Amino acid sequence: DAKTTQPTSMDCAEGRAANLPCNHSTISGNEYVYWYRQIHSQGPQYIIHGLKNNETNEMASLIITEDRKSSTLILPHATLRDTAVYYCIVRVSLVGQKVTFGIGTKLQVIP
Amino acid sequence: NAGVTQTPKFRILKIGQSMTLQCTQDMNHNYMYWYRQDPGMGLKLIYYSVGAGITDKGEVPNGYNVSRSTTEDFPLRLELAAPSQTSVYFCASRFTGGSNTGELFFGEGSRLTVL
Repeated sequence: DAKTTQPTSMDCAEGRAANLPCNHSTISGNEYVYWYRQIHSQGPQYIIHGLKNNETNEMASLIITEDRKSSTLILPHATLRDTAVYYCIVRVSLVGQKVTFGIGTKLQVIP
Repeated sequence: NAGVTQTPKFRILKIGQSMTLQCTQDMNHNYMYWYRQDPGMGLKLIYYSVGAGITDKGEVPNGYNVSRSTTEDFPLRLELAAPSQTSVYFCASRFTGGSNTGELFFGEGSRLTVL
């Protein structure tokens, strides 16, 4: 699986959009980008994933660059409950067996 | 569905003791995983299983053993506990068939302290 690079921490004002970047410059053509978040030492929670196209669900949007070497997770209107560690991982979706996590980005939403 | 259930939630062990962390899932997922998370750090993969009877090592398998005799259960065994094994342990599962997203479902974690 491709390695990812994320900033260690970020701040975002409540009500504003939170844009969390992820670099995955060694991604292969069949590898997906997945995002999870972990709120206060709970088990991580799946947010969204994508291959090439931008994706949106009720939680967030995922923007993947055309060359697929980086992506951005967007929380459109951040709330205090979005304060968490966000993990970007890259892997082959259904075939990939090992799933490894990096350190992630600690997002602090500020009132 | 209960999802992924881990027991116990908390445990204190003495150095050299052994114990088993239990993990069970009721979603008929074929893949199961054990991770550990040290304070302020990310998750490290200990062991994983792609189906009953099949297990493989992850990033940090030393000091642990696993078995997968059924689809539902994936216990993690700690032999001769050491202070370095003080951590929060997470079990996870996922399904890889059909058009599934392949997302991981996590348990609530088991907090282990070795003194």
